[in-house]
Amino acid sequence: GAVVSQHPSRVICKSGTSVKIECRSLDFQATTMFWYRQFPKQSLMLMATSNEGSKATYEQGVEKDKFLINHASLTLSTLTVTSAHPEDSSFYICSAREARGEYTQYFGPGTRLTVL
Amino acid sequence: RKEVEQDPGPFNVPEGATVAFNCTYSNSASQSFFWYRQDCRKEPKLLMSVYSSGNEDGRFTAQLNRASQYISLLIRDSKLSDSATYLCVVNLGWGKLQFGAGTQVVVTP
Repeated sequence: GAVVSQHPSRVICKSGTSVKIECRSLDFQATTMFWYRQFPKQSLMLMATSNEGSKATYEQGVEKDKFLINHASLTLSTLTVTSAHPEDSSFYICSAREARGEYTQYFGPGTRLTVL
Repeated sequence: RKEVEQDPGPFNVPEGATVAFNCTYSNSASQSFFWYRQDCRKEPKLLMSVYSSGNEDGRFTAQLNRASQYISLLIRDSKLSDSATYLCVVNLGWGKLQFGAGTQVVVTP
């Protein structure tokens, strides 16, 4: 199956710093990538939909100025958590959808963010 | 009310036994349906799609009832490796997926 990578897999940072997470589709072109967040024992919640070459579409309640998304190429999307606070600590997962075919979504391995 | 609702479990299942659980969804315009499995601290992985006529994939059987807006998953001959959290997922269209919080299954020797 298609492969999606995320980097870093785990990050611990101090409150107030910014953290960038990369999501890459390794063997296919992804016109659309999705960013999710999952708190312990809760469901994955869609944060935003990222389309290559255009602005991301954010879900209700997600601050676009805090969670900056850039989808500069068909294989890379980045999520930057700006001025991170402890309540931003979560599991961030991206998924990528193929540009053709059945539009199956493939999930990255996730990034565990801990803000101290 | 949650948009995709699941019994969190855990369902403790002896190895070799059968376990079944459901999920309900609130959006009647949902287009397609899936079961994913998620292992502890890992990403979700697609287990199977769910079709209106019901479908089977090895030991796994999924059913969809659009009228009642519920989806079920049955696992036969449970293996220790089936221990995981099973996520009910609804596709609203345009790739937007709604996830349930998951049902935890623990298969015991």
